[in-house]
Amino acid sequence: RKEVEQDPGPFNVPEGATVAFNCTYSNSASQSFFWYRQDCRKEPKLLMSVYSSGNEDGRFTAQLNRASQYISLLIRDSKLSDSATYLCVGLNRDDKIIFGKGTRLHILP
Amino acid sequence: DTAVSQTPKYLVTQMGNDKSIKCEQNLGHDTMYWYKQDSKKFLKIMFSYNNKELIINETVPNRFSPKSPDKAHLNLHINSLELGDSAVYFCASSQGRYLETEAFFGQGTRLTVV
Repeated sequence: RKEVEQDPGPFNVPEGATVAFNCTYSNSASQSFFWYRQDCRKEPKLLMSVYSSGNEDGRFTAQLNRASQYISLLIRDSKLSDSATYLCVGLNRDDKIIFGKGTRLHILP
Repeated sequence: DTAVSQTPKYLVTQMGNDKSIKCEQNLGHDTMYWYKQDSKKFLKIMFSYNNKELIINETVPNRFSPKSPDKAHLNLHINSLELGDSAVYFCASSQGRYLETEAFFGQGTRLTVV
């Protein structure tokens, strides 16, 4: 099982819809998880941290499911500007940072 | 003010050459990183320095040598460049030692080896 795994997509979603994607991780001892956003030919930027209790920031909700070892990102009322690649970040077995390969999201007008 | 700046932004060079990429952060962070993003967009950590001390050194050819003169700078020197080194290299910094806090990335250096 890959250390941090994401569906690469692309997810093609009409504007205004709700979209969700998951990221699975293999290190059950991992404590820190994040979602980063990367626009085309740009650097990754932190979107949100993922807390055990889940967290919400406007239209974005991140959740952690330790039992099934995955984190999720939910985007409500999607906007054209949400089109990007979303990178899941966690820790591998040696407690080193590892990025998922990213999920590409295209919001369609 | 740019928080994490790396230069150059683009670098085109011939096989066998030696090149350096510079990175500076003005955030007062203790930890700096080098990441490589390949053509498939996979972002992989190469090195991490905490207060000038190397703490992560992934399986990277010896041709890659990081240098941290102080905690605000982390440069990457690459010897004998190969075609497979073509990628985008991102510098990043964070306050935490292992990315337990937000990492800020530079804009990337697009290296093309011909």
